[in-house]
Amino acid sequence: EPEVTQTPSHQVTQMGQEVILRCVPISNHLYFYWYRQILGQKVEFLVSFYNNEISEKSEIFDDQFSVERPDGSNFTLKIRSTKLEDSAMYFCASGQGMNTEAFFGQGTRLTVV
Amino acid sequence: ELKVEQNPLFLSMQEGKNYTIYCNYSTTSDRLYWYRQDPGKSLESLFVLLSNGAVKQEGRLMASLDTKARLSTLHITAAVHDLSATYFCAGIPRGGGADGLTFGKGTHLIIQP
Repeated sequence: EPEVTQTPSHQVTQMGQEVILRCVPISNHLYFYWYRQILGQKVEFLVSFYNNEISEKSEIFDDQFSVERPDGSNFTLKIRSTKLEDSAMYFCASGQGMNTEAFFGQGTRLTVV
Repeated sequence: ELKVEQNPLFLSMQEGKNYTIYCNYSTTSDRLYWYRQDPGKSLESLFVLLSNGAVKQEGRLMASLDTKARLSTLHITAAVHDLSATYFCAGIPRGGGADGLTFGKGTHLIIQP
């Protein structure tokens, strides 16, 4: 069964460093998303990506964040100059169309120390 | 801005009992989703509800949507321990294309033997 895959599963980084979280969406999906979940809290939308550009972003997704689809399969989230409060589980998701559900990857647990 | 409120946030129940989780949302939403999350795991899509009066059932779970009341429910019939998890509802504001999901805080469900 096709699934969204994310790497790494756990990333520890020092405050101020840059990290890149990687995702391989399901191959025939057109919509791609990043969400984050701070431990014990709700899932928060960061950004959606369609047709090779950002279609929507939340207030959380400021200049510190960027996304890229560098080739036909990968979808990355870059976080520059990480802060302690960036520690969270980051989920990538993809969807086939507007009225279908988004399928979530297993997540990358980012720990900023 | 869409706000999604779930209640209860925590529910402990016995096997064999029935219960309902409620999801209210603040503005018109194109569609309503229910997800399940096991501890430390990703989000598993349960239901997508696209129109007023939509009802979907899978095993012991049944979800419904009343767009006029801005309410969705997730009903659990004859609960079993395996259904212990956190359940999230999520919506997308009307007119959203690739817009991200707005999640509720989740209902942490524990089913005891």
